[in-house]
Amino acid sequence: QQPVQSPQAVILREGEDAVINCSSSKALYSVHWYRQKHGEAPVFLMILLKGGEQKGHEKISASFNEKKQQSSLYLTASQLSYSGTYFCGTGGGSGNTGKLIFGQGTTLQVKP
Amino acid sequence: GAGVSQTPSNKVTEKGKYVELRCDPISGHTALYWYRQSLGQGPEFLIYFQGTGAADDSGLPNDRFFAVRPEGSVSTLKIQRTERGDSAVYLCASSLVAGGNEQFFGPGTRLTVL
Repeated sequence: QQPVQSPQAVILREGEDAVINCSSSKALYSVHWYRQKHGEAPVFLMILLKGGEQKGHEKISASFNEKKQQSSLYLTASQLSYSGTYFCGTGGGSGNTGKLIFGQGTTLQVKP
Repeated sequence: GAGVSQTPSNKVTEKGKYVELRCDPISGHTALYWYRQSLGQGPEFLIYFQGTGAADDSGLPNDRFFAVRPEGSVSTLKIQRTERGDSAVYLCASSLVAGGNEQFFGPGTRLTVL
């Protein structure tokens, strides 16, 4: 089942903050966050694992509520370079599967 | 380059033809993934390999799609009797091992079926 992302689109001014949410109806082992710019490949931002481990870029923060099967990505003091489409990908409950199911994406536009 | 590479970058074919898409993962990565992405959508899982074996092929839409990774490195996605609905960007990704590791994506192959 595809995770649901909200909001679908966000427009910010430089320096403003944003939160992107990802919600699944299935038990999760991992949540992966990617950013994709038009015509380019998705770029890894962060992975959050069941049990609390996180791996990712220093300037990106996120949370993972295992009970609610939800994750949120926090973008603070946004820069023009943050513009793009953000996808969450969810990994199943067994923990040892590489299969990711991606959400439909959240488009972020940062204006000067 | 140390990243995932995919060839060709663009492929235009006619309905009913056979195509092969190639993916060269990051050296040392044992897991390799295939996704496809349609305009305005997130990547759609097709299949992934751990080593030479297909660990999960549940995303392949039908038996016209097949993928191999004979030596545990390069992988080829094969599509027989292409249909217009197969048009999409086919993305390949790799990771150190499957499960709980970041996947690094290649630039994709844009397939257009006329």
